[in-house]
Amino acid sequence: AQSVTQLDSQVPVFEEAPVELRCNYSSSVSVYLFWYVQYPNQGLQLLLKYLSGSTLVESINGFEAEFNKSQTSFHLRKPSVHISDTAEYFCAVSARMDSSYKLIFGSGTRLLVRP
Amino acid sequence: DAGVIQSPRHEVTEMGQEVTLRCKPISGHDYLFWYRQTMMRGLELLIYFNNNVPIDDSGMPEDRFSAKMPNASFSTLKIQPSEPRDSAVYFCASSPGTGGVAGELFFGEGSRLTVL
Repeated sequence: AQSVTQLDSQVPVFEEAPVELRCNYSSSVSVYLFWYVQYPNQGLQLLLKYLSGSTLVESINGFEAEFNKSQTSFHLRKPSVHISDTAEYFCAVSARMDSSYKLIFGSGTRLLVRP
Repeated sequence: DAGVIQSPRHEVTEMGQEVTLRCKPISGHDYLFWYRQTMMRGLELLIYFNNNVPIDDSGMPEDRFSAKMPNASFSTLKIQPSEPRDSAVYFCASSPGTGGVAGELFFGEGSRLTVL
């Protein structure tokens, strides 16, 4: 079975500082990896994804994540955060199980950006 | 496109009452998912449909929960009878074909349910 671990439930950081949100997964088969963002009182939105190819993937708002197969990690990073980045971030793993895919979400990390 | 539309956005009801949550997926999407989000348990997949057919309902907590998808543009999640522990935000999500199954979901804004 696959699982996703987000070790940090909350990450406080000052505006314009760098940030890393950690995500580790376990799976016995090849996986697809995702980061979703949830702003207050909204649904989740896809931030970025790794399906295949380059292990470094980027979003349009400056976030990036790197797939590290040996460390089974997919950490999310941003070199300089803004107040508007305050949200909850979910790492997710999808793997083929029997004849279907199952998407499993981590428990989420709340990013709190302070002025 | 208008995105995934859920109703009601907020529902407050008393224990024992029937609750029906509704979802309109994005047109053309073949997959529809129902998730529940709570502080204690995070995001839980309840059930998902492919082409209106339920594929995996192993996450449905009890027989009190049921979900239907009578056509490609409408799905319901029903709780009967409701209990206080059902209080949560319920999300509907849809996704297109093959790529969507791999995990690219489009979420609605959720239905916040409070059972007193």
